[in-house]
Amino acid sequence: KAGVTQTPRYLIKTRGQQVTLSCSPISGHRSVSWYQQTPGQGLQFLFEYFSETQRNKGNFPGRFSGRQFSNSRSEMNVSTLELGDSALYLCASSLGATLNDYEQYFGPGTRLTVT
Amino acid sequence: DQQVKQNSPSLSVQEGRISILNCDYTNSMFDYFLWYKKYPAEGPTFLISISSIKDKNEDGRFTVFLNKSAKHLSLHIVPSQPGDSAVYFCAASETGTASKLTFGTGTRLQVTL
Repeated sequence: KAGVTQTPRYLIKTRGQQVTLSCSPISGHRSVSWYQQTPGQGLQFLFEYFSETQRNKGNFPGRFSGRQFSNSRSEMNVSTLELGDSALYLCASSLGATLNDYEQYFGPGTRLTVT
Repeated sequence: DQQVKQNSPSLSVQEGRISILNCDYTNSMFDYFLWYKKYPAEGPTFLISISSIKDKNEDGRFTVFLNKSAKHLSLHIVPSQPGDSAVYFCAASETGTASKLTFGTGTRLQVTL
Protein backbone atom coordinates (compact mmCIF):
# COMPACT_ATOMS: atom_id res chain seq x y z
CA LYS A 1 0.00 0.00 0.00
CA ALA A 2 1.43 3.39 -0.95
CA GLY A 3 2.19 5.80 1.85
CA VAL A 4 1.22 9.41 2.27
CA THR A 5 2.58 11.55 -0.54
CA GLN A 6 3.17 15.28 -0.51
CA THR A 7 3.95 17.58 -3.38
CA PRO A 8 6.04 19.50 -3.97
CA ARG A 9 8.86 18.38 -1.68
CA TYR A 10 10.63 21.72 -1.80
CA LEU A 11 9.37 25.20 -2.51
CA ILE A 12 10.85 28.69 -2.45
CA LYS A 13 8.53 31.66 -2.36
CA THR A 14 8.79 35.39 -1.78
CA ARG A 15 7.14 37.35 1.01
CA GLY A 16 3.61 38.36 0.12
CA GLN A 17 3.03 35.51 -2.29
CA GLN A 18 0.69 32.64 -1.68
CA VAL A 19 1.38 28.92 -1.84
CA THR A 20 -0.60 25.71 -2.18
CA LEU A 21 0.65 22.38 -0.88
CA SER A 22 -0.87 19.03 -1.72
CA CYS A 23 -1.28 15.79 0.22
CA SER A 24 -2.53 12.41 -0.93
CA PRO A 25 -3.43 10.13 1.98
CA ILE A 26 -3.09 6.39 2.21
CA SER A 27 -5.81 4.65 0.25
CA GLY A 28 -8.88 4.22 2.42
CA HIS A 29 -7.89 6.91 4.89
CA ARG A 30 -10.46 9.66 5.19
CA SER A 31 -8.80 11.94 7.71
CA VAL A 32 -5.99 14.29 6.75
CA SER A 33 -4.19 16.50 9.25
CA TRP A 34 -1.62 19.20 8.61
CA TYR A 35 1.27 20.17 10.86
CA GLN A 36 3.94 22.85 10.75
CA GLN A 37 7.43 22.07 12.01
CA THR A 38 9.85 24.89 12.75
CA PRO A 39 13.17 24.75 14.65
CA GLY A 40 12.55 24.84 18.39
CA GLN A 41 8.75 24.60 18.06
CA GLY A 42 8.26 20.93 17.36
CA LEU A 43 5.26 20.02 15.29
CA GLN A 44 2.23 22.26 15.61
CA PHE A 45 -1.21 21.17 14.53
CA LEU A 46 -2.78 23.30 11.82
CA PHE A 47 -6.08 21.59 11.00
CA GLU A 48 -7.75 18.30 10.18
CA TYR A 49 -10.16 17.44 7.40
CA PHE A 50 -12.51 14.50 7.35
CA SER A 51 -14.99 13.80 4.58
CA GLU A 52 -14.33 17.21 3.02
CA THR A 53 -15.11 19.06 6.28
CA GLN A 54 -12.73 20.72 8.68
CA ARG A 55 -13.13 18.73 11.88
CA ASN A 56 -10.40 20.24 14.09
CA LYS A 57 -8.39 23.43 13.98
CA GLY A 58 -5.21 24.64 15.66
CA ASN A 59 -4.17 28.14 16.62
CA PHE A 60 -2.97 29.56 13.34
CA PRO A 61 -4.07 32.79 11.64
CA GLY A 62 -6.65 32.80 8.87
CA ARG A 63 -3.88 33.05 6.27
CA PHE A 64 -3.60 29.30 6.66
CA SER A 65 -6.47 27.43 5.10
CA GLY A 66 -7.16 24.03 3.66
CA ARG A 67 -9.63 21.88 1.90
CA GLN A 68 -10.29 18.25 1.16
CA PHE A 69 -11.65 16.69 -1.98
CA SER A 70 -14.05 13.79 -2.37
CA ASN A 71 -11.12 11.41 -2.97
CA SER A 72 -9.68 12.48 0.43
CA ARG A 73 -6.78 14.34 -1.15
CA SER A 74 -6.12 17.58 0.67
CA GLU A 75 -4.56 20.93 -0.10
CA MET A 76 -3.23 23.56 2.24
CA ASN A 77 -2.97 27.19 1.26
CA VAL A 78 -0.97 29.96 2.86
CA SER A 79 -1.66 33.48 1.67
CA THR A 80 0.45 36.61 2.10
CA LEU A 81 3.54 34.64 3.04
CA GLU A 82 5.77 35.87 5.85
CA LEU A 83 9.38 34.97 6.58
CA GLY A 84 8.18 33.09 9.69
CA ASP A 85 6.16 30.73 7.52
CA SER A 86 9.38 29.04 6.44
CA ALA A 87 8.95 25.54 7.80
CA LEU A 88 8.49 21.89 7.05
CA TYR A 89 4.79 21.23 6.44
CA LEU A 90 3.73 17.71 7.23
CA CYS A 91 0.57 15.96 6.30
CA ALA A 92 -0.73 12.91 8.14
CA SER A 93 -3.57 10.56 7.34
CA SER A 94 -5.61 8.15 9.39
CA LEU A 95 -8.71 6.09 8.93
CA GLY A 96 -10.59 8.71 10.93
CA ALA A 97 -13.52 6.38 11.36
CA THR A 98 -13.85 7.33 15.00
CA LEU A 99 -12.76 10.37 16.91
CA ASN A 100 -10.39 8.11 18.83
CA ASP A 101 -8.49 6.86 15.82
CA TYR A 102 -5.10 7.99 17.05
CA GLU A 103 -2.52 6.39 14.81
CA GLN A 104 -1.50 8.80 12.09
CA TYR A 105 0.78 8.12 9.15
CA PHE A 106 2.93 11.02 8.06
CA GLY A 107 4.17 12.01 4.65
CA PRO A 108 7.76 13.20 4.05
CA GLY A 109 6.74 16.85 4.18
CA THR A 110 7.08 19.93 2.01
CA ARG A 111 9.98 22.22 2.86
CA LEU A 112 8.82 25.80 2.30
CA THR A 113 11.36 28.62 2.29
CA VAL A 114 10.11 32.19 2.23
CA THR A 115 12.63 34.84 1.16
CA ASP B 1 2.43 27.64 25.98
CA GLN B 2 4.22 24.33 25.53
CA GLN B 3 1.78 21.71 26.80
CA VAL B 4 4.11 18.82 25.98
CA LYS B 5 7.76 19.20 26.89
CA GLN B 6 10.83 17.20 26.12
CA ASN B 7 13.49 18.87 28.20
CA SER B 8 16.44 16.96 26.79
CA PRO B 9 17.17 18.10 23.24
CA SER B 10 19.73 15.35 22.80
CA LEU B 11 20.85 12.06 24.28
CA SER B 12 23.84 9.85 23.54
CA VAL B 13 23.81 6.17 24.49
CA GLN B 14 26.14 3.27 23.81
CA GLU B 15 24.94 0.41 21.69
CA GLY B 16 23.39 -2.33 23.82
CA ARG B 17 22.57 -0.01 26.70
CA ILE B 18 19.18 1.36 27.68
CA SER B 19 17.92 4.63 26.20
CA ILE B 20 15.42 6.56 28.29
CA LEU B 21 13.60 9.46 26.70
CA ASN B 22 11.40 11.63 28.87
CA CYS B 23 8.33 13.73 28.27
CA ASP B 24 6.22 15.94 30.55
CA TYR B 25 2.81 17.38 29.90
CA THR B 26 0.70 20.01 31.58
CA ASN B 27 -2.78 19.49 30.14
CA SER B 28 -4.72 17.13 32.43
CA MET B 29 -7.22 16.51 29.62
CA PHE B 30 -4.65 14.53 27.65
CA ASP B 31 -5.49 10.86 27.86
CA TYR B 32 -3.64 9.26 24.99
CA PHE B 33 0.08 9.46 24.37
CA LEU B 34 2.23 8.44 21.45
CA TRP B 35 5.89 8.31 20.52
CA TYR B 36 7.07 8.98 17.01
CA LYS B 37 10.51 8.52 15.50
CA LYS B 38 11.80 10.79 12.76
CA TYR B 39 14.74 10.35 10.42
CA PRO B 40 16.05 13.28 8.36
CA ALA B 41 14.07 13.99 5.19
CA GLU B 42 11.28 11.66 6.28
CA GLY B 43 8.01 12.17 8.09
CA PRO B 44 7.57 10.94 11.68
CA THR B 45 6.88 7.23 12.06
CA PHE B 46 4.57 5.92 14.76
CA LEU B 47 6.42 3.87 17.35
CA ILE B 48 4.28 3.07 20.35
CA SER B 49 1.34 4.51 22.27
CA ILE B 50 -0.35 4.30 25.65
CA SER B 51 -3.78 5.11 26.94
CA SER B 52 -4.23 6.86 30.26
CA ILE B 53 -5.94 3.78 31.69
CA LYS B 54 -2.61 1.97 31.56
CA ASP B 55 0.74 2.72 33.13
CA LYS B 56 2.88 0.61 30.83
CA ASN B 57 2.86 -0.63 27.26
CA GLU B 58 5.47 -2.85 25.71
CA ASP B 59 6.33 -3.62 22.10
CA GLY B 60 9.54 -5.54 21.53
CA ARG B 61 12.48 -3.40 22.56
CA PHE B 62 10.25 -0.40 23.23
CA THR B 63 8.36 0.25 26.45
CA VAL B 64 6.41 3.35 27.34
CA PHE B 65 5.66 4.21 30.95
CA LEU B 66 3.00 6.67 32.04
CA ASN B 67 2.83 8.36 35.44
CA LYS B 68 -0.43 10.29 35.41
CA SER B 69 -0.01 11.87 38.81
CA ALA B 70 3.33 13.34 37.76
CA LYS B 71 2.11 14.04 34.21
CA HIS B 72 5.19 12.28 32.94
CA LEU B 73 5.88 9.61 30.40
CA SER B 74 9.05 7.92 29.29
CA LEU B 75 10.17 5.71 26.44
CA HIS B 76 12.67 2.96 27.17
CA ILE B 77 14.61 1.31 24.38
CA VAL B 78 16.44 -1.86 25.36
CA PRO B 79 18.90 -2.74 23.97
CA SER B 80 19.68 0.38 21.96
CA GLN B 81 20.89 -0.14 18.41
CA PRO B 82 22.66 2.24 16.00
CA GLY B 83 19.55 2.22 13.78
CA ASP B 84 17.63 3.79 16.65
CA SER B 85 19.53 7.03 16.12
CA ALA B 86 16.83 9.54 15.20
CA VAL B 87 14.73 12.33 16.66
CA TYR B 88 11.99 11.09 18.98
CA PHE B 89 8.81 13.06 19.54
CA CYS B 90 6.23 12.44 22.19
CA ALA B 91 2.69 13.51 21.41
CA ALA B 92 -0.56 13.73 23.33
CA SER B 93 -4.23 13.89 22.53
CA GLU B 94 -7.57 14.35 24.23
CA THR B 95 -10.50 11.98 23.91
CA GLY B 96 -12.54 12.78 20.85
CA THR B 97 -9.80 14.75 19.10
CA ALA B 98 -7.47 11.95 18.09
CA SER B 99 -6.27 13.75 14.98
CA LYS B 100 -5.19 16.83 16.93
CA LEU B 101 -1.86 15.74 18.34
CA THR B 102 0.20 18.07 20.51
CA PHE B 103 3.87 17.32 20.05
CA GLY B 104 6.93 17.95 22.13
CA THR B 105 9.99 19.55 20.57
CA GLY B 106 11.82 16.26 20.21
CA THR B 107 14.92 14.55 21.57
CA ARG B 108 17.74 13.59 19.25
CA LEU B 109 19.03 10.14 20.19
CA GLN B 110 22.50 9.10 19.10
CA VAL B 111 23.41 5.47 19.65
CA THR B 112 27.16 5.03 19.49
CA LEU B 113 29.17 1.90 18.81
